[in-house]
Amino acid sequence: LAKTTQPISMDSYEGQEVNITCSHNNIATNDYITWYQQFPSQGPRFIIQGYKTKVTNEVASLFIPADRKSSTLSLPRVSLSDTAVYYCLVGDMSSNDYKLSFGAGTTVTVRA
Amino acid sequence: SAVISQKPSRDICQRGTSLTIQCQVDSQVTMMFWYRQQPGQSLTLIATANQGSEATYESGFVIDKFPISRPNLTFSTLTVSNMSPEDSSIYLCSVESRDSVIGKLFFGSGTQLSVL
Repeated sequence: LAKTTQPISMDSYEGQEVNITCSHNNIATNDYITWYQQFPSQGPRFIIQGYKTKVTNEVASLFIPADRKSSTLSLPRVSLSDTAVYYCLVGDMSSNDYKLSFGAGTTVTVRA
Repeated sequence: SAVISQKPSRDICQRGTSLTIQCQVDSQVTMMFWYRQQPGQSLTLIATANQGSEATYESGFVIDKFPISRPNLTFSTLTVSNMSPEDSSIYLCSVESRDSVIGKLFFGSGTQLSVL
């Protein structure tokens, strides 16, 4: 599995855009990039997944450059409720034998 | 989406005892995953449980310590055996989504275990 590297923590203020970059230099051809969000005392929640270029949903955007060695999760106009740990995962989802391994994650703290 | 119920939500146990955690899903799923999250840490995959076959354990986890049952497509149990304080963690059950996104997991709210 490709190793991922994320910042340990990020601080932001309400209404700002938060961008979290994840490095995955050893990403393989069949690997997808998936982001999860975890609030205290809850299990992680799927946010977004992508393979290349840009993916957007109602929660976030995911930017993946052409070389796919990194990806950036963008959270627009964050609120206090976006304070959570965000995990970047990389893995081959096309195989029936895939496993999802969580890295250290990024603790995002949104302040008023 | 899948709704996952885990029981118990928390427990305090004495060392040397065992605890069985139950995971119930509201729909049939092929793969179920058990994770451990130690205090302040990320999630670590313990094992993958497929119905009708032995669970597959990750490095560092063995069946004698963490026996898993998967009697049908909606239910699984994880037992933490002969517990020690080092087993104090949150244990999470997860299943794969049935929509078109491969690798999208749903998680239960976890079982917070404290071993004295």
